[in-house]
Amino acid sequence: AQSVAQPEDQVNVAEGNPLTVKCTYSVSGNPYLFWYVQYPNRGLQFLLKYITGDNLVKGSYGFEAEFNKSQTSFHLKKPSALVSDSALYFCAVRDLTGANNLFFGTGTRLTVIP
Amino acid sequence: ETGVTQTPRHLVMGMTNKKSLKCEQHLGHNAMYWYKQSAKKPLELMFVYNFKEQTENNSVPSRFSPECPNSSHLFLHLHTLQPEDSALYLCASSQGDIDYGNTIYFGEGSWLTVV
Repeated sequence: AQSVAQPEDQVNVAEGNPLTVKCTYSVSGNPYLFWYVQYPNRGLQFLLKYITGDNLVKGSYGFEAEFNKSQTSFHLKKPSALVSDSALYFCAVRDLTGANNLFFGTGTRLTVIP
Repeated sequence: ETGVTQTPRHLVMGMTNKKSLKCEQHLGHNAMYWYKQSAKKPLELMFVYNFKEQTENNSVPSRFSPECPNSSHLFLHLHTLQPEDSALYLCASSQGDIDYGNTIYFGEGSWLTVV
């Protein structure tokens, strides 16, 4: 069965510092991996995805993620955090059972401290 | 502002009421989804429609009834709900199947409270 795990419920980082939000996956085939962000009282916004090709994927708002097959990870990163980056971040992997679906992690709440 | 619009944003209903959630996508996509987001739980897929045809029903109770009259509109009809159905209901759309690398885009969600 495929799944993603976000080992940290909460990540705190000072404004201007680099940030990392962790995601590991368990997939028996080729993983398609996604990151979404959810601001308070809003829906999910797409940030970036890895399908194939370059392991370093760049996305919206200065975010990037690195696909690491040996470590089965897809961590989200940003070189310099902004207070406005404070939100809930979700990692997701495509469903390989044939259903047109994504399996989501439980989310990581990022707080950027001014 | 997203290309997927959901109404109402907030809904409070009694357990004997009948109400509907509406979703409209302006992205020209052909697949539409309903997801449920509950506190402390991962997002759960409820239904998927491709070109107006339902392709996934993730063992959702019959008190939730979806309707997709065309590729741009999706409804979720609600009746005799339970308090545990209180959640954020997210509509989403995609150009095609995720297996082809397509991205799912979400609306702002409808907050449902069942009293």
